[in-house]
Amino acid sequence: TQLLEQSPQFLSIQEGENLTVYCNSSSVFSSLQWYRQEPGEGPVLLVTVVTGGEVKKLKRLTFQFGDARKDSSLHITAAQPGDTGLYLCAGARMDSSYKLIFGSGTRLLVRP
Amino acid sequence: KAGVTQTPRYLIKTRGQQVTLSCSPISGHRSVSWYQQTPGQGLQFLFEYFSETQRNKGNFPGRFSGRQFSNSRSEMNVSTLELGDSALYLCASSLAGQTYNEQFFGPGTRLTVL
Repeated sequence: TQLLEQSPQFLSIQEGENLTVYCNSSSVFSSLQWYRQEPGEGPVLLVTVVTGGEVKKLKRLTFQFGDARKDSSLHITAAQPGDTGLYLCAGARMDSSYKLIFGSGTRLLVRP
Repeated sequence: KAGVTQTPRYLIKTRGQQVTLSCSPISGHRSVSWYQQTPGQGLQFLFEYFSETQRNKGNFPGRFSGRQFSNSRSEMNVSTLELGDSALYLCASSLAGQTYNEQFFGPGTRLTVL
């Protein structure tokens, strides 16, 4: 059972365009993290959001945690080829903060 | 500070064999988690160790096992390999007692089972 659904699965856009990736669940999470993974490497943590409604900005990336702490979004403004990669959301379940549930991932390609 | 290291980076085995993968966490990190990543199933949690004890376990058969040493280094073992075990195995370390369990991943070991 996939507890975290990410959409879209694949995204190919032109440099300079904006995009939004969604991470949805019917479960409540104590926190939610976003990672980016490039080919041949492990995922790298981008941000952790912990409060319902929280918005965090990291340069051109904006992360939002839903009010009910069941969903999250990642918005990239003016995408660049360096943003290319696999974006993964991961939720820490309310019953155990030691176990992260990862979403299926969104593969982003930014064409120059 | 050095990152998480995993050895070997690539491994080719045949069905029925066993394999041991190694992970050295970031200095000071006492929690080590293992994940399996495949194109079809994505990133799936195998188990997590803290202070040499398995603290959490995912839904994998008993052929998958692990351990952690007193210096926090960890190994995972897969016995009686099957074709479906071909995957990228990722190790991640985190600070003990951290509520949000932010993971720092190694580059992974790419296992191919023929």
